[in-house]
Amino acid sequence: DQQVKQNSPSLSVQEGRISILNCDYTNSMFDYFLWYKKYPAEGPTFLISISSIKDKNEDGRFTVFLNKSAKHLSLHIVPSQPGDSAVYFCAAGVSWNGGSQGNLIFGKGTKLSVKP
Amino acid sequence: DTEVTQTPKHLVMGMTNKKSLKCEQHMGHRAMYWYKQKAKKPPELMFVYSYEKLSINESVPSRFSPECPNSSLLNLHLHALQPEDSALYLCASGLDLAGGSYEQYFGPGTRLTVT
Repeated sequence: DQQVKQNSPSLSVQEGRISILNCDYTNSMFDYFLWYKKYPAEGPTFLISISSIKDKNEDGRFTVFLNKSAKHLSLHIVPSQPGDSAVYFCAAGVSWNGGSQGNLIFGKGTKLSVKP
Repeated sequence: DTEVTQTPKHLVMGMTNKKSLKCEQHMGHRAMYWYKQKAKKPPELMFVYSYEKLSINESVPSRFSPECPNSSLLNLHLHALQPEDSALYLCASGLDLAGGSYEQYFGPGTRLTVT
């Protein structure tokens, strides 16, 4: 049973527009969430994170929104650039205080294509 | 410096071989991880080390044997692997688990092919 779901395997966006990547989770124990970007043949690159005490975190062009009641988070990229084209993974975990040992559960990823 | 290095980049081994994957970080992180990623799938956790001690083994077969010789190094010893073990093996590191920062930084991975 998937605890972290990314239901859109792919997304195509025009350069300069907004990209919105979505992620849903089922485990209410998750209290921190991360987004990673992955190019082929490379390891995932950390982008941005959010803890469950917040509903928004912003870093430059990247903003993550968390809706705990809906168990949903999203990553907004504004403006989108061709270099943003990659696979984006959503990941979730339970903090150490919640009894975690630090493992992350990943979604299946969404392939973003930004067209010039 | 947020770099995690892994060697080798590519490895082809037979089912009777013994080989090792290596991972190194110099960020002072005290949590280190091995993940396995098959094509078009998300990374799946294999092992977690916290302060050089194994804290999680996600029911990984004994033909995979992790080792953490010091706080900067993480090895994965491979013996008698099966073709289905072919995958991208990713190492990651993060601040100690009680540090309040949960980002994990990944290396580029080792692409393993078992013949």
